[in-house]
Amino acid sequence: DTGVSQNPRHKITKRGQNVTFRCDPISEHNRLYWYRQTLGQGPEFLTYFQNEAQLEKSRLLSDRFSAERPKGSFSTLEIQRTEQGDSAMYLCASSPPFRLAGVYNEQFFGPGTRLTVL
Amino acid sequence: KNEVEQSPQNLTAQEGEFITINCSYSVGISALHWLQQHPGGGIVSLFMLSSGKKKHGRLIATINIQEKHSSLHITASHPRDSAVYICAVSSGATNKLIFGTGTLLAVQP
Repeated sequence: DTGVSQNPRHKITKRGQNVTFRCDPISEHNRLYWYRQTLGQGPEFLTYFQNEAQLEKSRLLSDRFSAERPKGSFSTLEIQRTEQGDSAMYLCASSPPFRLAGVYNEQFFGPGTRLTVL
Repeated sequence: KNEVEQSPQNLTAQEGEFITINCSYSVGISALHWLQQHPGGGIVSLFMLSSGKKKHGRLIATINIQEKHSSLHITASHPRDSAVYICAVSSGATNKLIFGTGTLLAVQP
């Protein structure tokens, strides 16, 4: 399977614990996005990487959230001291380099990681 | 006011009906996307367009840049079309997506 993969698919944790999610983008895609989707809502942008550089972060990304993409391939999203309000689906998407995508920006989504904070 | 608005939020149709979902936006965009999301979370891109009209099978997407409005049409709807349909726009230097809240479509046999 050469699509975007995310692990784990489901995570249940207790309030106050730290969690880490992983996203493996399509191999030739250098652009990677994290989004968060709460029940009944559309996804919301969290952060964007181009290669290993984190170029944009949403104000939704509090200081308890940190994302990395150390070698420009897979990315991790860590939430420290989880709160019940962090319960959501965390979605990762990747896109090819701008020179290949042209003016368009098709994003390929992973299956998501559903986080439940008890 | 959200930057991307969709209507209706919920839609129930009988099999065979013609369906229209509307989307309006208030920001500058590089492209507009129509996405489909099934229960369990997976999101699939249906269309990406910046002008005019695109057709794929029974699905048609149109966009009017001047009016900042797009529509998704489903002809001869089928129960397997039941899903959440989300409108999103690519915006800003990073082309991040700004999403509408989605339209939950249920097509009854």
